[in-house]
Order: sequence, then C-alpha cells, then structure tokens
Amino acid sequence: RKEVEQDPGPFNVPEGATVAFNCTYSNSASQSFFWYRQDCRKEPKLLMSVYSSGNEDGRFTAQLNRASQYISLLIRDSKLSDSATYLCVVVYTGRRALTFGSGTRLQVQP
Amino acid sequence: EAQVTQNPRYLITVTGKKLTVTCSQNMNHEYMSWYRQDPGLGLRQIYYSMNVEVTDKGDVPEGYKVSRKEKRNFPLILESPSPNQTSLYFCASNSPGGNTEAFFGQGTRLTVV
Repeated sequence: RKEVEQDPGPFNVPEGATVAFNCTYSNSASQSFFWYRQDCRKEPKLLMSVYSSGNEDGRFTAQLNRASQYISLLIRDSKLSDSATYLCVVVYTGRRALTFGSGTRLQVQP
Repeated sequence: EAQVTQNPRYLITVTGKKLTVTCSQNMNHEYMSWYRQDPGLGLRQIYYSMNVEVTDKGDVPEGYKVSRKEKRNFPLILESPSPNQTSLYFCASNSPGGNTEAFFGQGTRLTVV
C-alpha cells in the first residue's frame, strides 16, 4: 500500500463547478500536510499548507482529518486556469522528507 | 529571486556513460533532495541532504550517488546509467521545520538509450 494515496482522475468539470479531491495517508506519525500544484511537465509549486483547523485561500479550502488520516482540497468556481495535477504531500515527524501522492489530474472545460 | 537551478534541462545519453545533473539553490536552505517522477508513480525521493556533508538515502537510491560539499549545491550522479533511469528528475530545497515550503528546480528530462 502506498504511503500517500490519491485518486488519479482525471476529473473533468465545467467552468464554475465545485470539485473536491481527497488524499489518504498511512503513517500516523505525520507532521505536516500540503497541496502542491503541478502543470504539465513543470515543477511542482506549493498551493497551500493544510492546518488541523482547516484553512481557506480564496476559492481553495483545505481540510485535515487526523483521526481518519485524510486531507482534502475543495476548489470552488473552477477556472480554466485551475487545470493541472494536484499533489498531496505529507511530511513525517523526524524525517522532514516530502512524501508525495501520485497526483490527481483536473481538467476544467469551457 | 529565490530559485533552484538544475542543469541540464534535457539529456539523452547511452547506457553506462557516467553523467551528473547539477542543482544549485540561492536561498541558503539546509535541506535539499532529489526526486524522480514517473507516470503513475508520482514523485519518489532518491536522496536527501540535511546539511553540508550529511546525505541519506530516500526511497529509490539504487543507481544514484549524491554529494553535498557546499550548502548551495547538491549534484546527482549516475555512475552507470541504465534505461530504467529514464525519467523526469527534480531537485528541491527547503528550510528545516515541518511546515516550510519546498522549492523545486525546473526538472531534468533524462533519456537513457
């Protein structure tokens, strides 16, 4: 079983739709959580950190459920420019390495 | 401008011919790492370094070497490349602490024939 699992998609949604991605992690000694965005053939870039209380950045909302060991990303009012692969990232206590999920591909259509 | 620079961006080489991919960061980060990205497998860590002269294996270290003689540089060495090392490689750096952003280089697309 992979340490960090994501639905690979693709998620094909119309502009203006709300879409949610989930990510599960297997190691309970997980310290920090992030969502990164990766455009085709480019480097990953930080989208947002995920805090225990949940956090929002404009149209994006991230939530963490430690008891069930999953994190989620909600995108409201999808734009064409949101089309990308979204990577769930977990940092384990004491290791400081980033462990990536395989990514979920989002395609927003006009 | 804060950045991580990798070179080369594209490389086609033959089996067994030693190569080095360079990585340099200008943010004075202690922590640097190398990843490879393959379809369906996501990014997998090859090696990481927590500071100068301190390196350790990641999840897929076989066939790779690294060195960290200076804080800013973290080269990836393939002593005898094989076709299964054909991949997209990323170097990353970040500060210590669990909640810091990692910055990635633009990637090196390596093909071993």
